[in-house]
Amino acid sequence: DTAVSQTPKYLVTQMGNDKSIKCEQNLGHDTMYWYKQDSKKFLKIMFSYNNKELIINETVPNRFSPKSPDKAHLNLHINSLELGDSAVYFCASSQGFLNEKLFFGSGTQLSVL
Amino acid sequence: KQEVTQIPAALSVPEGENLVLNCSFTDSAIYNLQWFRQDPGKGLTSLLLIQSSQREQTSGRLNASLDKSSGRSTLYIAASQPGDSATYLCAVGVTNAGKSTFGDGTTLTVKP
Repeated sequence: DTAVSQTPKYLVTQMGNDKSIKCEQNLGHDTMYWYKQDSKKFLKIMFSYNNKELIINETVPNRFSPKSPDKAHLNLHINSLELGDSAVYFCASSQGFLNEKLFFGSGTQLSVL
Repeated sequence: KQEVTQIPAALSVPEGENLVLNCSFTDSAIYNLQWFRQDPGKGLTSLLLIQSSQREQTSGRLNASLDKSSGRSTLYIAASQPGDSATYLCAVGVTNAGKSTFGDGTTLTVKP
């Protein structure tokens, strides 16, 4: 079974649309993250949740809204998609938030046309 | 603001060579440092995690060292194999709240 799974793997959509990416982890971890990897392969943290509570919000536009219904799930909803949102979005998890080993999903490649 | 740099950006070696990948960071007040491997179109796989109080970690043919005072970490790969071809990223834990800053990565190609 995949430890950290995210869906969809590919997402192609028009500017202005609203879309969601889902993430689930079956590792029993308390902390989950969303990272964005841009076209230059630079990886940057967006959000972090610990036990459903937001602990990191890295000046991401408020068009991006994470939601954690339980500690095994962290979904990312994006409103009014823009061309610059095109990137690969990675979900990750760790046992706790005290800088522990990160486990990543396989990524969602978002293309905004 | 923590900045993480990886040199070289790309490296090509023949199979069997030992090699070293470098990671440098600007702020020595780190909590940990992780080395990851990323294969094309895939997610990241954690290779080694070094806590700030540690100097090195080893796993199989991999050895990672950490020198906080000089702001450097190295990943040593012994007896490289074509299957080691991937992009290697280092990530510095900059707070105790799970925030990590990533380098740009080194793309390694091991030729048979």
